[in-house]
Amino acid sequence: QKEVEQDPGPLSVPEGAIVSLNCTYSNSAFQYFMWYRQYSRKGPELLMYTYSSGNKEDGRFTAQVDKSSKYISLFIRDSQPSDSATYLCAMGGSGGGADGLTFGKGTHLIIQP
Amino acid sequence: DTAVSQTPKYLVTQMGNDKSIKCEQNLGHDTMYWYKQDSKKFLKIMFSYNNKELIINETVPNRFSPKSPDKAHLNLHINSLELGDSAVYFCASSQEGPTYEQYFGPGTRLTVT
Repeated sequence: QKEVEQDPGPLSVPEGAIVSLNCTYSNSAFQYFMWYRQYSRKGPELLMYTYSSGNKEDGRFTAQVDKSSKYISLFIRDSQPSDSATYLCAMGGSGGGADGLTFGKGTHLIIQP
Repeated sequence: DTAVSQTPKYLVTQMGNDKSIKCEQNLGHDTMYWYKQDSKKFLKIMFSYNNKELIINETVPNRFSPKSPDKAHLNLHINSLELGDSAVYFCASSQEGPTYEQYFGPGTRLTVT
């Protein structure tokens, strides 16, 4: 079993829909949870950074972490064609960052105009 | 005003050659990283550098050698290139020591023929 599982998609939704992206993980040491957006042939762009369980909202994006279920989610409201990209979840544990992020494989999201 | 930049963007070379990839960040961060994204799209940490000193080397062959001339630069030298080295290499940085809040460069697509 991989440390971080993420459905690769593609996930195709109409413009304006609410998008839900998810990851599950197996390592209970993970405490830091990130979502990155990666456009084709570009570097990952940090969208959300959260610590431990709970919700965090930033504009149209909401990140949720449920450590008891080892499950994290990213919600995108009022989705736009410009949101079409690959979304990567990433996690960190007790290494303080030097041990690097553990990434999911990414979900390819398509927003249809 | 690019935050994390890499050169070259594309690199095509033959097996057995030696090549370098350069990374520069203008964010004032003091920790930098190299990640590898293979053909299956998984991003994996290779090296972590803090204040020009190596912190972590994640089971990377010693043909790969990072060099940090100063806090703003982290270069990656690869000797005796092999077909399996073909991948996209991303540089990242974080502020005030290693943290999981990492910012990525645009990537260097290396193709070994």
